Formats: sequence, C-alpha cells, structure tokens
Amino acid sequence: AQSVTQPDIHITVSEGASLELRCNYSYGATPYLFWYVQSPGQGLQLLLKYFSGDTLVQGIKGFEAEFKRSQSSFNLRKPSVHWSDAAEYFCAVAGTLSGSARQLTFGSGTQLTVLP
Amino acid sequence: ETGVTQTPRHLVMGMTNKKSLKCEQHLGHNAMYWYKQSAKKPLELMFVYSLEERVENNSVPSRFSPECPNSSHLFLHLHTLQPEDSALYLCASSSSGTPYNEQFFGPGTRLTVL
Repeated sequence: AQSVTQPDIHITVSEGASLELRCNYSYGATPYLFWYVQSPGQGLQLLLKYFSGDTLVQGIKGFEAEFKRSQSSFNLRKPSVHWSDAAEYFCAVAGTLSGSARQLTFGSGTQLTVLP
Repeated sequence: ETGVTQTPRHLVMGMTNKKSLKCEQHLGHNAMYWYKQSAKKPLELMFVYSLEERVENNSVPSRFSPECPNSSHLFLHLHTLQPEDSALYLCASSSSGTPYNEQFFGPGTRLTVL
C-alpha cells in the first residue's frame, strides 16, 4: 500500500528566508507525486506535480520540488518565503484506483508559519 | 462559475437531521471524489465516481450516502450523524484526459454536528 510521511508537523521561518518541506513516500511503482497548499478555510490548491522526466519540477508561486528516487523523497522548496505563504502544505502520491480515477494518499500536512 | 464549487460552505446540524452537501465541477472532468478532513488527521478518501462506476472506502459509515446524477454534479447525503462526523468535507474532480489525473478541489463544506 502507498503511504506518505511529512516528518515536520509545524515549521516557522522568517519572511525572506529559504524554505524546505520534507516528504517521503512509499509506493511500489513509479510514483506520481503532488504538493498541495491549503489556506485557512479553503480547499486544496495544486502547487506542482511530478510524473517523470526532469527530477526538479517548478510550480506556481515560486515553489519547486525535487524528486529523489534513491531517498524516496519529494521535498518542496522556495528560495525566499513571503508572508502570504503561511498555510498548510500537503504532499500526496497517486495510485490507480479504478478506471480513470486515481487514489491520492496524503501526508498529514506541514503547517507553515511566517514571521515578519 | 469556474473550477469546483461546493454548497453550503458551512452547515450545522443536529444528530437527527437529514441534509445534503452539493458539489459541482465546471472543468469537464469525468471523475469526482468526496474527502473528509478532520483536525490532525490525513485527508480520508470517502467515495469516488469515475465513468459512472462508484468506488468507496469500506470504512465510511452508512450514514453517509453519495449520489452522482451526472459527471458534473456530486452529492453527499447525511443522516443521523454523530459529533465525530464534524469535519471539513472536500469535493474534488479529475479527468482521464490529463496525464495522471491530478485532482482539483473545491473550497469545502465545514460541517458541525451538535
């Protein structure tokens, strides 16, 4: 069965500092990996995705993530954090469920606080 | 309207009430999902409708009943809920036409069961 671990429940960074959120996955085949962000009271917004090819993927809002098969990791990074980045971040791995549907297995999330 | 919409955004109900949550997607997708998001727990997939086939998480209680009348609309019918069912209920949709069916989420319905 697939699983996702986000080791950091809560991270605090200062505005302008760099950010790295960790994600480790377990999946038997080539993983399809996603990062989502959730602002308070909102649904999940897709930041970026990895399917194959270049292991460094770029997303929206200046985020990027690097897929490392040897470490089963897909860490999210941003060079300079803005106050508006404060939110909860979820890593997810997708597996086939049925027909055209994919089952997303989510990590428990990392809450990001940004200090002024 | 664009994307995935959900109504109502907030719902308070008693344990004996019957209510329904509605989700509508305007993306031309052919799969729709219900998730439950409880505090301090990972998102839990409840139901999936894909090409008119329903897949469900066997751990979901029968007091939750989904309905998908067409590929754009999804309902979650609620009856005799328990306080532990209080959570954010998220709807999502995806399309087999995109490479790996990334899911697009609605804003959620915040449900409180008294």
